[in-house]
Amino acid sequence: DAGVIQSPRHEVTEMGQEVTLRCKPISGHNSLFWYRQTMMRGLELLIYFNNNVPIDDSGMPEDRFSAKMPNASFSTLKIQPSEPRDSAVYFCASSLRGYGTEAFFGQGTRLTVV
Amino acid sequence: AQTVTQSQPEMSVQEAETVTLSCTYDTSENNYYLFWYKQPPSRQMILVIRQEAYKQQNATENRFSVNFQKAAKSFSLKISDSQLGDTAMYFCAFMKDDTGNQFYFGTGTSLTVIP
Repeated sequence: DAGVIQSPRHEVTEMGQEVTLRCKPISGHNSLFWYRQTMMRGLELLIYFNNNVPIDDSGMPEDRFSAKMPNASFSTLKIQPSEPRDSAVYFCASSLRGYGTEAFFGQGTRLTVV
Repeated sequence: AQTVTQSQPEMSVQEAETVTLSCTYDTSENNYYLFWYKQPPSRQMILVIRQEAYKQQNATENRFSVNFQKAAKSFSLKISDSQLGDTAMYFCAFMKDDTGNQFYFGTGTSLTVIP
């Protein structure tokens, strides 16, 4: 298996633009997580899905952020409109729920909003 | 809510020496899982070691071992014979043993191995 695949690896965008981050979890995994990593706040859980259903989105910072998981093999995190303070590394991770297995992380998307 | 605390923002160790990274957590759960992840400069998050709370025996993975003290809610990571490739950010993580599978991470410890 190729692991968790995120795209793009790097994204530079102008303030006010829409940004869409993409994630393909490991096949067979039924939990998916979106994290944001910054120097100031560390790793923050934004939202997680079980069986494609959002379970907890309390970490989503504002209404500008939205996440979807239309099927078991794809998820998106959208920021509209983007702001400079959204600059961070965004990680997607997946795991097999209910078995105490670890979360497997993608390589992250480094987002820079100028 | 569960909290995970790593009180050492930065640490350094001489190559070939041993270093211990601290982690404490707060939970009312009786059964759960604990993890240490490594994040090298490449930023890829890599699982180092995993511990089930119901197991009394401390987990070991080659040069990496943990000291799990359930009553004290402590989960430290010991790295023996430190190598330059161990230089990375290390995160302690907690997961409840229920249907949630939600992971809670500490703020991380930046470890530098000095040649």
